[in-house]
Amino acid sequence: ETGVTQSPTHLIKTRGQQVTLRCSSQSGHNTVSWYQQALGQGPQFIFQYYREEENGRGNFPPRFSGLQFPNYSSELNVNALELDDSALYLCASSSGDRRNTGELFFGEGSRLTVL
Amino acid sequence: AQSVTQLGSHVSVSEGALVLLRCNYSSSVPPYLFWYVQYPNQGLQLLLKYTSAATLVKGINGFEAEFKKSETSFHLTKPSAHMSDAAEYFCAVSYNTNAGKSTFGDGTTLTVKP
Repeated sequence: ETGVTQSPTHLIKTRGQQVTLRCSSQSGHNTVSWYQQALGQGPQFIFQYYREEENGRGNFPPRFSGLQFPNYSSELNVNALELDDSALYLCASSSGDRRNTGELFFGEGSRLTVL
Repeated sequence: AQSVTQLGSHVSVSEGALVLLRCNYSSSVPPYLFWYVQYPNQGLQLLLKYTSAATLVKGINGFEAEFKKSETSFHLTKPSAHMSDAAEYFCAVSYNTNAGKSTFGDGTTLTVKP
């Protein structure tokens, strides 16, 4: 069973740039959720994708966008980067159907630094 | 709306001592509650979950938590701390088993002294 993998693990961008983060969900999972974890804080829900459709969004501006592909992998895109976007971005996969046990499987995250 | 408050951002215990990490929640509907552990430079791992069945929930690594509706609490305990328990712990709440939309607390860092 392949776990959740994220890439890149670390990256540095400057203000105003755009970034794309990638996530491969655990085998058999059709739901991907993205979280932002700022230093010293808990993860904050950005949005969730279920079978390639957005299925809920947290309190994040539209410059945070996403995609889910037919193989259920996902991308998080952030445009017009701001200093406050510096954080660990976590991807979590789960089963969104009858097999849903309420358990999330997290990747190790992508640490974004905005200068 | 739902929220989570973790009392105490840092907790320090001696090896072999009782571990108690506190979590209080607010939810407008019956909650589903979770505890996660995060080791340095890693993602989060589920320790245990409450999904409206038994109020005393047992998890991995000897941890357990008790759901107390009257106190809106879901405190995490372990009878005897081990050095390997040192990590950051997060309490989370969701309004159904779609844990992907959970609201997390700010975390408690557990230090275990030899």
